[in-house]
Amino acid sequence: DAGITQSPRHKVTETGTPVTLRCHQTENHRYMYWYRQDPGHGLRLIHYSYGVKDTDKGEVSDGYSVSRSKTEDFLLTLESATSSQTSVYFCAIRRRGGGYTFGSGTRLTVV
Amino acid sequence: KNEVEQSPQNLTAQEGEFITINCSYSVGISALHWLQQHPGGGIVSLFMLSSGKKKHGRLIATINIQEKHSSLHITASHPRDSAVYICAYGGSQGNLIFGKGTKLSVKP
Repeated sequence: DAGITQSPRHKVTETGTPVTLRCHQTENHRYMYWYRQDPGHGLRLIHYSYGVKDTDKGEVSDGYSVSRSKTEDFLLTLESATSSQTSVYFCAIRRRGGGYTFGSGTRLTVV
Repeated sequence: KNEVEQSPQNLTAQEGEFITINCSYSVGISALHWLQQHPGGGIVSLFMLSSGKKKHGRLIATINIQEKHSSLHITASHPRDSAVYICAYGGSQGNLIFGKGTKLSVKP
């Protein structure tokens, strides 16, 4: 399967601190996505990227920023973490055949 | 308003039972995806289909484009099938629009 790695897998951070989550892929896919998963809401799109330096906002982008300086890395940053950003974060890539591959997720707790 | 509705939300079955999970959507789509998520685990793509039926092992997915409805069937269910099953379709940004999932528990 497409190599896609998220780091860290778990993180606990304090309110107001910056946090960066990393998504790394090894197969040169153009489209990458960040989702958050919360009980009662399912998965929701935060930001996505359609190429190096090409990113756009999703449904729940407030409080988040992203960067993609290399094809293989898509970074999600919480500039000043809040308790409402406690969630499980998933990165995904869209494969050339139209299917999707997901990372293993990052469980973030903001205390 | 969630554009993808799944039913049931929760499902408990005995090992060996035939299981059906339903998914309805409200817009025209080119493909529908079924995904599986085990407790505490990652998300795995099971099927992508745009018409008819696909089968993989004991899993069968069907779609009726005219009725905007898809079903996921599991034959001879097993406790290892216990997971959340999610349907989704491709959105305008190339992302997936997800249902809230169906939590399946198969008892031995």
